[in-house]
Amino acid sequence: AQSVTQPDIHITVSEGASLELRCNYSYGATPYLFWYVQSPGQGLQLLLKYFSGDTLVQGIKGFEAEFKRSQSSFNLRKPSVHWSDAAEYFCAVDQTGNQFYFGTGTSLTVIP
Amino acid sequence: NAGVTQTPKFQVLKTGQSMTLQCAQDMNHNSMYWYRQDPGMGLRLIYYSASEGTTDKGEVPNGYNVSRLNKREFSLRLESAAPSQTSVYFCASRRAGNYGYTFGSGTRLTVV
Repeated sequence: AQSVTQPDIHITVSEGASLELRCNYSYGATPYLFWYVQSPGQGLQLLLKYFSGDTLVQGIKGFEAEFKRSQSSFNLRKPSVHWSDAAEYFCAVDQTGNQFYFGTGTSLTVIP
Repeated sequence: NAGVTQTPKFQVLKTGQSMTLQCAQDMNHNSMYWYRQDPGMGLRLIYYSASEGTTDKGEVPNGYNVSRLNKREFSLRLESAAPSQTSVYFCASRRAGNYGYTFGSGTRLTVV
């Protein structure tokens, strides 16, 4: 079955520290890959997306993600986390062009 | 502002009552989607409409019906609400091609 796995339910980092959120998918071919962020009580906002080409993609708010085909992974990174980055992060894949499949999310807490 | 508008933002229903969640987008997007979000389960697709005049079931369609009223509007109906339908509901839209979704801000529904 197709699936998207975010193995970390919750992560806590100190402000200014680096961040990596993991995402793995299981599909037959390379899907289209996305990361979304959800602030409390809000909808989801697109951070970045990967379709093809350069495997390192840049997004908004200083985030980047790297696609690794051999590992079926699309991990999200940020060199220096800000308190405003505290939110829930969702990885999503789209193989059919018709609908997304979302991971269960990673909740990020940022401590001063 | 352009985007996806959902109404209402909050609703409390009694078991067995019916209601319709409204969604409208003004971006001329072809595809529209209804998701529900539950703790620890990420977002699960209820129904989607790939284009005006078509609707298809997603992962969790039972207990719901949808109507794609026109290109702008896509409504979700609960005919006989159950406590298991307590959730946050998100509407999303996407233009043709492989682009990310634009999400509404959500409807928080409680069924008592």
